[in-house]
Amino acid sequence: AQSVTQLGSHVSVSEGALVLLRCNYSSSVPPYLFWYVQYPNQGLQLLLKYTSAATLVKGINGFEAEFKKSETSFHLTKPSAHMSDAAEYFCAVSERQGNLIFGKGTKLSVKP
Amino acid sequence: DAGVIQSPRHEVTEMGQEVTLRCKPISGHDYLFWYRQTMMRGLELLIYFNNNVPIDDSGMPEDRFSAKMPNASFSTLKIQPSEPRDSAVYFCASSLQGREQYFGPGTRLTVT
Repeated sequence: AQSVTQLGSHVSVSEGALVLLRCNYSSSVPPYLFWYVQYPNQGLQLLLKYTSAATLVKGINGFEAEFKKSETSFHLTKPSAHMSDAAEYFCAVSERQGNLIFGKGTKLSVKP
Repeated sequence: DAGVIQSPRHEVTEMGQEVTLRCKPISGHDYLFWYRQTMMRGLELLIYFNNNVPIDDSGMPEDRFSAKMPNASFSTLKIQPSEPRDSAVYFCASSLQGREQYFGPGTRLTVT
């Protein structure tokens, strides 16, 4: 059965610092993997997706994620945090067409 | 292009009343999903449709909840009778061929 674990429900970084949000997945077949961002009082917005092409995926707003099969990980990174990056981030996995399995989310705070 | 449209954006109702939430998916998408988000339980999948047919409704909490998709461009989620514990943000999402999902802005439901 597929599952997603996001390590750390809250992450706090200083403006300009590296952002690293961790996601590990469990899947019996090569998965499709996604990162979504949710700003306050808004819906989830697709940040980036991995679909078995390049293992390093670039998304919007300077974020990227690397698929590492050996570690079953899909961590999200951004070299330099901006205040506007403060939001909740969700990792999701899909083995088949239809359902996405979401992690519980990580709230990112950015300190000035 | 218009994204997923949900109405109303906010709904306040009294316990025992019927509530109907509405969703218009992105044109051409063949999957539609209903989610509920609360602080306590996070993001929960309630039901999803493929080509207007319900595929998995195992997330629907009780018989008080029902969902329909009469055509490819419209879906409803109904709660009858509503209870205070139904207070949450309800999201609709759609996707093409069941991969990345695109979310609407959500309906914030408050049951007093």
